[in-house]
Amino acid sequence: DIQMTQSPSTLSAFVGDRVTITCRASQSISRWLAWYQEKPGRAPRLLMSEASALQSGVPSRFSGSGSGTEFILTISNLQPDDSATYYCQEYKTYSHTFGLGTKLEIK
Amino acid sequence: QVQMEQSGGEVKRPGASVRVSCKASGYSFRHFAVSWLRRAPGQGLEWMGWISANNGFTKYAQKFQGRVTLTTDTSTNTAYMELSNLRSDDTAVYYCARETSLPYFFDKWGQGTLVTVSS
Repeated sequence: DIQMTQSPSTLSAFVGDRVTITCRASQSISRWLAWYQEKPGRAPRLLMSEASALQSGVPSRFSGSGSGTEFILTISNLQPDDSATYYCQEYKTYSHTFGLGTKLEIK
Repeated sequence: QVQMEQSGGEVKRPGASVRVSCKASGYSFRHFAVSWLRRAPGQGLEWMGWISANNGFTKYAQKFQGRVTLTTDTSTNTAYMELSNLRSDDTAVYYCARETSLPYFFDKWGQGTLVTVSS
């Protein structure tokens, strides 16, 4: 099975900052990677597919990059509403393996 | 808008079965598939299986093969996940999620259903 390693596991930043979250795959997944945002008590929200394709309604402050085994989610001009846990997910294989998440706190 | 509304939390004894429902609205149910995932306490999200709402074709994760059954009712746009022979380590939040094909990403999710297995 493919392993997905996310870093950091927690992140704290100020409003207006730019942050990056890294997701590494144990083998190449081309660009078959999605990013999700999850807030307590709410359904996860798809942010991005194919590593960098922003979903409709997602602010352009969110961007994604990478291919193969290393991927980055960047959030610019952080807003209080960005406080959440972020997950990556590969969809190259049936396992649909997720990373363990990055909890982002807005100071 | 697209919504996937899951049934409420359940408490079950070890060895019992649980069935969780997921009612879809706001889209053509038969044009998509539904996957089921879960997150156990302190664990990551885990994919359990997939069902085509068009023809009922299923694909299960090997770990759950033989214990999980996915079905749909196209008359009510509802998907069901039944997990049998429950163990304490099946305690988890279970999610349904819309998935276009297999394997793919999940563009809409239910809110999650907590299933607690305890004697």
